[in-house]
Amino acid sequence: EPEVTQTPSHQVTQMGQEVILRCVPISNHLYFYWYRQILGQKVEFLVSFYNNEISEKSEIFDDQFSVERPDGSNFTLKIRSTKLEDSAMYFCASRDRGLSSSYEQYFGPGTRLTVT
Amino acid sequence: AQSVTQLGSHVSVSEGALVLLRCNYSSSVPPYLFWYVQYPNQGLQLLLKYTTGATLVKGINGFEAEFKKSETSFHLTKPSAHMSDAAEYFCAVRKYSGGGADGLTFGKGTHLIIQP
Repeated sequence: EPEVTQTPSHQVTQMGQEVILRCVPISNHLYFYWYRQILGQKVEFLVSFYNNEISEKSEIFDDQFSVERPDGSNFTLKIRSTKLEDSAMYFCASRDRGLSSSYEQYFGPGTRLTVT
Repeated sequence: AQSVTQLGSHVSVSEGALVLLRCNYSSSVPPYLFWYVQYPNQGLQLLLKYTTGATLVKGINGFEAEFKKSETSFHLTKPSAHMSDAAEYFCAVRKYSGGGADGLTFGKGTHLIIQP
């Protein structure tokens, strides 16, 4: 069964450094998402992406964040200058362009980002 | 805007007993509702969803949920708990931004504990 993959599974970085989290969505999917989950808290929407542009972003997704689909298969989340509070699990999700009634997002296993 | 409230951050049941996890939603449009399960150190797995049609939806692992518009609820049930059901459960509602790339708004989650 097709699945969303994410790399790396765990990333440790120092405060102020740039990180890129990578995702490979399911191949025929057209909508892409990033979410984050701070330890012990709920999953929060960051951004959605469609047709090579951001469709919607939350207030969390400030100028330090950017997303890109560089090559038609990967979907990346970049954090330019990491802060301690960026430490979280980051989930990528994707969905196809099916009927609204079949709306379903498929989540990857996540990347745990630790900022020290 | 859409929102989700999960009553009870922790629910403990005995093995073989009924599982009931509560979810109430707020939505200005007909909602799309989801239950996801997260096992320790893993990603999010869709249990079931309601988009349109039958209000009683069945999911994986013997779980089901009933959409009740009058009560703005989407409670998750399972007749007989199994030890393997111990996990974090998240209720979510589709955000409506007018485009097809809507993300999900999650509740804070309910940690299900199964007592032997």
